[in-house]
Amino acid sequence: SQTIHQWPATLVQPVGSPLSLECTVEGTSNPNLYWYRQAAGRGLQLLFYSIGIDQISSEVPQNLSASRPQDRQFILSSKKLLLSDSGFYLCARQDLYGYTFGSGTRLTVV
Amino acid sequence: RKEVEQDPGPFNVPEGATVAFNCTYSNSASQSFFWYRQDCRKEPKLLMSVYSSGNEDGRFTAQLNRASQYISLLIRDSKLSDSATYLCVVRRNAGNMLTFGGGTRLMVKP
Repeated sequence: SQTIHQWPATLVQPVGSPLSLECTVEGTSNPNLYWYRQAAGRGLQLLFYSIGIDQISSEVPQNLSASRPQDRQFILSSKKLLLSDSGFYLCARQDLYGYTFGSGTRLTVV
Repeated sequence: RKEVEQDPGPFNVPEGATVAFNCTYSNSASQSFFWYRQDCRKEPKLLMSVYSSGNEDGRFTAQLNRASQYISLLIRDSKLSDSATYLCVVRRNAGNMLTFGGGTRLMVKP
C-alpha cells in the first residue's frame, strides 16, 4: 500500500498564529515527498520537496517551512500565518506513474 | 509564459457528447506526460499516462505531439460522472518533478 495520511482535513486559523500540518506515508521506504498548495480556483503550486530525511528543497520563497524528521514523515509549518496562506495543502509521494496525493488540508486564515 | 498551459474552461457539454482538451508545454526536454482528474474539493488522481504513440483507456484517449509540444485528452460518450477538472501534467527532464497545468473544468449536463 502506498497510502498517504494527512491531517487535519480542515483548519481555520487566525492571522499571525502558527501552523503545523503533518503528512505520513506508508509503503516503499525513502520516498520522494512533496508539499503543494492550491489556492481557490487556481493551479497546484509546488512549495517543498524532499528526497530524504532532513533533505528539503524550497521552490517558492515564503513564510512557510518544511521538515522531514523521519523517512515517512513530512511536516509543513509556519511561525505566523498570513491571509494569503489560505488554500488547499496537498502532500504527495512519487510513485511509478507520477504522484499519489493525500486527501489534503483545507486551510482558511481569518 | 507558464510551463504548462491549459484552457481553464468551463466546458459545458451534454451527456453523450465527445469533448477534447488540449494542453501545451514550454520545456521541449520534458519526458513524461500525464492527465490527472480532480473532483471538487478533492485531491488530484491519476487518470492516465500519455505515451508517444497515443493511448486509449475505455472512453478516454490521450495523444502527444512532441513537435508542437501539446498533449490532448479526448472523452467520448461523456457521462455526468466525468464532471471534474482535468489537469495536464509534465515531468521535467531533471529529477522527477511534476509540473501541473491550471486545469480544465468539464461540466457534463443531463
